[in-house]
Amino acid sequence: QVQLVQSGAEVKEPGAAVKISCKASGFNLNAYYIHWVRQVPGQGPEWMGLKVPGSANYARQFRGRVTMTRDTSTSTVYMELSSLRSDDTAVYYCVRGRFGHHASYFDFWGQGTLVTVSS
Amino acid sequence: EIVLTQSPDSLSLSPGERATLSCRATQTVINNFLAWYQHQPGQPPRLLIFDASVRATGIPDRFSGSGSGTEFTLTISRLEPEDFALYYCQHYGDSPLPFGGGTKVEIK
Repeated sequence: QVQLVQSGAEVKEPGAAVKISCKASGFNLNAYYIHWVRQVPGQGPEWMGLKVPGSANYARQFRGRVTMTRDTSTSTVYMELSSLRSDDTAVYYCVRGRFGHHASYFDFWGQGTLVTVSS
Repeated sequence: EIVLTQSPDSLSLSPGERATLSCRATQTVINNFLAWYQHQPGQPPRLLIFDASVRATGIPDRFSGSGSGTEFTLTISRLEPEDFALYYCQHYGDSPLPFGGGTKVEIK
């Protein structure tokens, strides 16, 4: 079955970076796009962006701080967010979107990774 | 950029009742590229509806989506105990891909 399995919870100090992994199984990663979405407690989800072969599309508020990468040999995608602030405390999700569309709905979600930014 | 506003913030209903949730966009949603998700505590969101009215795989037919332009509605015809949750709408016409702030459906 389709699965997106993410790495575990992280606690980081302000100014640090966090890198989250998302391993895909049960489907061909080359036939879909994987996006990242985060959810700050008490707020609606927030789209962060996606990385596809040859390009990346990041939401404006994260440009310069976020890097998304793919390793197709292990069917794993990564999201690194740097210069962390307390308001980056959130649950981060990798999500599956339609192939060929940077804009998509998301039919499968990873289990989420809680990132806590605190000194 | 399109901004989505959901109303009401919360809805208190009893099992078996009908729930009507609204999602309003600040600009016309092209091609009805509007999705709805259900979010249960401790779980990731689940896709319910895409293209404003198409149920995702495995979604019961008590869930229906409607609307066009700037006004969209998610209707749950008869609430089951497992339907009490948060619901979000999302626009995917072009990036960025905004979500609404959510409507919480609570047990009365």
